[in-house]
Amino acid sequence: EAQVTQNPRYLITVTGKKLTVTCSQNMNHEYMSWYRQDPGLGLRQIYYSMNVEVTDKGDVPEGYKVSRKEKRNFPLILESPSPNQTSLYFCASGTSGVDTQYFGPGTRLTVL
Amino acid sequence: QKEVEQDPGPLSVPEGAIVSLNCTYSNSAFQYFMWYRQYSRKGPELLMYTYSSGNKEDGRFTAQVDKSSKYISLFIRDSQPSDSATYLCAMTDNYGQNFVFGPGTRLSVLP
Repeated sequence: EAQVTQNPRYLITVTGKKLTVTCSQNMNHEYMSWYRQDPGLGLRQIYYSMNVEVTDKGDVPEGYKVSRKEKRNFPLILESPSPNQTSLYFCASGTSGVDTQYFGPGTRLTVL
Repeated sequence: QKEVEQDPGPLSVPEGAIVSLNCTYSNSAFQYFMWYRQYSRKGPELLMYTYSSGNKEDGRFTAQVDKSSKYISLFIRDSQPSDSATYLCAMTDNYGQNFVFGPGTRLSVLP
């Protein structure tokens, strides 16, 4: 089944404890992206990647890191999480950005 | 001013009604316009995308783009209870890398 998977789906952590949210797609897509979704603000793009080893900042990259060492994986790293990073996070992939983006199921992160 | 504005709703309509959802934007560089549907506790799924101005129809859904007014619309004909979801507009420029989403409109179609 073609899909985007994210892990974990739910995470509660404390301020300053490094964490990684994994994202994997099995559709051989070149484009991958991370978004956060907050009430009243909609989806905001954090980082995107057009291909392996090519990443770029979206609109809200502060406090986040990404890496794209393999085509199928695009992990999101929070080196020192803060409460303002409490949010619902989505990973997406597509053949190119303007084509269909397939979204993962989301990761709900709470930083205490 | 936000880059993309969208009425958050909630919007409640009876089954069979025609629904009109709208977004306005400020960045004239946007060339691709998309509508996503998001059910509760799920990721968004693409409904339609259009390039530049004009109309596009797909079944019960019609997307319209008016670049001169920086205004886009999604019409749903013969709405069904299964259409109850949050609808997000999204847009990007010709490079198709950086996307901006509206905050979403929550729609309820009542049987």
